[in-house]
Amino acid sequence: KAGVTQTPRYLIKTRGQQVTLSCSPISGHRSVSWYQQTPGQGLQFLFEYFSETQRNKGNFPGRFSGRQFSNSRSEMNVSTLELGDSALYLCASSLGGLGRYEQYFGPGTRLTVT
Amino acid sequence: AQSVTQLDSHVSVSEGTPVLLRCNYSSSYSPSLFWYVQHPNKGLQLLLKYTSAATLVKGINGFEAEFKKSETSFHLTKPSAHMSDAAEYFCVVSTSGTYKYIFGTGTRLKVLA
Repeated sequence: KAGVTQTPRYLIKTRGQQVTLSCSPISGHRSVSWYQQTPGQGLQFLFEYFSETQRNKGNFPGRFSGRQFSNSRSEMNVSTLELGDSALYLCASSLGGLGRYEQYFGPGTRLTVT
Repeated sequence: AQSVTQLDSHVSVSEGTPVLLRCNYSSSYSPSLFWYVQHPNKGLQLLLKYTSAATLVKGINGFEAEFKKSETSFHLTKPSAHMSDAAEYFCVVSTSGTYKYIFGTGTRLKVLA
């Protein structure tokens, strides 16, 4: 089975721009979660989608948004980029609801904001 | 409320010696517990999971962890460290129905030749 894929792998954007990141989960997985990883803050949970519904959200400003499509693929959007948004963004998929099922992570998208 | 504490931010061991990475958790209900490893500039890889079956869990690459409810601990061990084990390790706690995956702050393992 193919693993979780994320595109693009690397991205350089300018402050004020917006960006869209994409995640394709493992086939059959219905839950997709997004995380931001930085050296200073560590791994922080952004949001989780299950069957196209956002089920849980972390403490991030409204500039961070996401969605999930009927094929379980997910996108994450960040508008009005700030320098502090530079991070590794990780996507993870799970068979079902978080709690009982393990998550499988993609390789991440490295976003650099200049 | 759930929380997880990784007691050491950095651990150094010599190649061939045992590895112990410590994790304590707090959970109101029966938790699921996981250990992940992250090599530099890579995503996270699942090492092992505990979901209320056997308390001693064996994972990949020779790692194992023991769930101790009385001590609220889930420490990760390996009998003999290899250079390729150098990475960051994350302990995770989750409870069914909360839809939350709580990560520890990570332990960076250094393996000395």
